[in-house]
Amino acid sequence: GAGVSQSPRYKVAKRGQDVALRCDPISGHVSLFWYQQALGQGPEFLTYFQNEAQLDKSGLPSDRFFAERPEGSVSTLKIQRTQQEDSAVYLCASSQRGVHMGTNEQFFGPGTRLTVL
Amino acid sequence: GIQVEQSPPDLILQEGANSTLRCNFSDSVNNLQWFHQNPWGQLINLFYIPSGTKQNGRLSATTVATERYSLLYISSSQTTDSGVYFCAVIETGANNLFFGTGTRLTVIP
Repeated sequence: GAGVSQSPRYKVAKRGQDVALRCDPISGHVSLFWYQQALGQGPEFLTYFQNEAQLDKSGLPSDRFFAERPEGSVSTLKIQRTQQEDSAVYLCASSQRGVHMGTNEQFFGPGTRLTVL
Repeated sequence: GIQVEQSPPDLILQEGANSTLRCNFSDSVNNLQWFHQNPWGQLINLFYIPSGTKQNGRLSATTVATERYSLLYISSSQTTDSGVYFCAVIETGANNLFFGTGTRLTVIP
């Protein structure tokens, strides 16, 4: 597609439920990032993939958060046993090349707004 | 870690006015991007500008990497310019974007 797409756009979960958020990066983009944006704040880094390899997961807030990108394209962010503090917008971004090679401009999807009741 | 500060935090302009938004960062970077987050939450790429000057229509940006700051200029502002403007950087040797706290711009007719 022309841009980064994410689904669902909105998700309401009851506390304790598991959720899965999908990201389709720009075709051919090597790098994929997940960010979390709380209300009124800037996005904060969660995790980074180069192709199918998860090279950095230092931003994941707890072991309830898990991300994968098994074929180096589509990625899924999974949150187990959701808590109210997980309520936020989850943003996916992709960039054309490996981070340390060439331009590393990132392009963002529209986000998934997660509300945990 | 790197610190990114944006100023002013809030800005209210009359339609047609010009403005300058500033971004200061504390360490060397290999990427600096300016984004506009519209009222629907979409982050729109304005500039990829780790150094130098670029212009796109009514918007222009300048980054002076050696002095660790970047400026975003908006001329002849329109109501559709309203939203939050973020500066984000990738610290040299790191992978991810680190975002500033943003400038909330409101343009009134």
